Amino acid sequence: DGGITQSPKYLFRKEGQNVTLSCEQNLNHDAMYWYRQDPGQGLRLIYYSQIVNDFQKGDIAEGYSVSREKKESFPLTVTSAQKNPTAFYLCASRGTDTEAFFGQGTRLTVV
Amino acid sequence: GNSVTQMEGPVTLSEEAFLTINCTYTATGYPSLFWYVQYPGEGLQLLLKATKADDKGSNKGFEATYRKETTSFHLEKGSVQVSDSAVYFCALSDLGVISTNAGKSTFGDGTTLTVKP
Repeated sequence: DGGITQSPKYLFRKEGQNVTLSCEQNLNHDAMYWYRQDPGQGLRLIYYSQIVNDFQKGDIAEGYSVSREKKESFPLTVTSAQKNPTAFYLCASRGTDTEAFFGQGTRLTVV
Repeated sequence: GNSVTQMEGPVTLSEEAFLTINCTYTATGYPSLFWYVQYPGEGLQLLLKATKADDKGSNKGFEATYRKETTSFHLEKGSVQVSDSAVYFCALSDLGVISTNAGKSTFGDGTTLTVKP
């Protein structure tokens, strides 16, 4: 089945650590996105990529980094510079003339 | 820039009640409009969409009509069920256009719906 997969579903990070969230899609979509969702709030765009080897900052990129070395993969690193990383992270992809398809999300907690 | 404003929640209804969740938007150009649904602990799923003015999107008893004159895309369902309890997001994006603003979806803040038996 075609889809978009995020892993892990739950992730715990110690203070000062970097962690990487995985996002893989087999939909052959060019565009991929990372969003952050806080309790009771909407989605805020962290980074997006419209093509391999290219990506742009979204509205809240500080403390995060991404790479897009393959079309299928768009990993997000939450660095120690992100002061409040506890949140639900959603990855999405989109093809031309289609809506966004979302993964199941990763819940990151700082311990 | 683009923006989406949707009705604040939470909304609590009894089973079989009529549902309306209001959504208005501001956009340059001619965006496509979407409603997504999010169940607890999960990602967003597309509920319905409309790609041009006067289009009506429908799915699972939900409907929304793209009204350009009022810049609205209100979600309606005639008879809600307990299983409809979720968070609903209105969104817009420019489909198929590559530009600085293109590809990014703009989301409303979400409306939490609880349906009681």
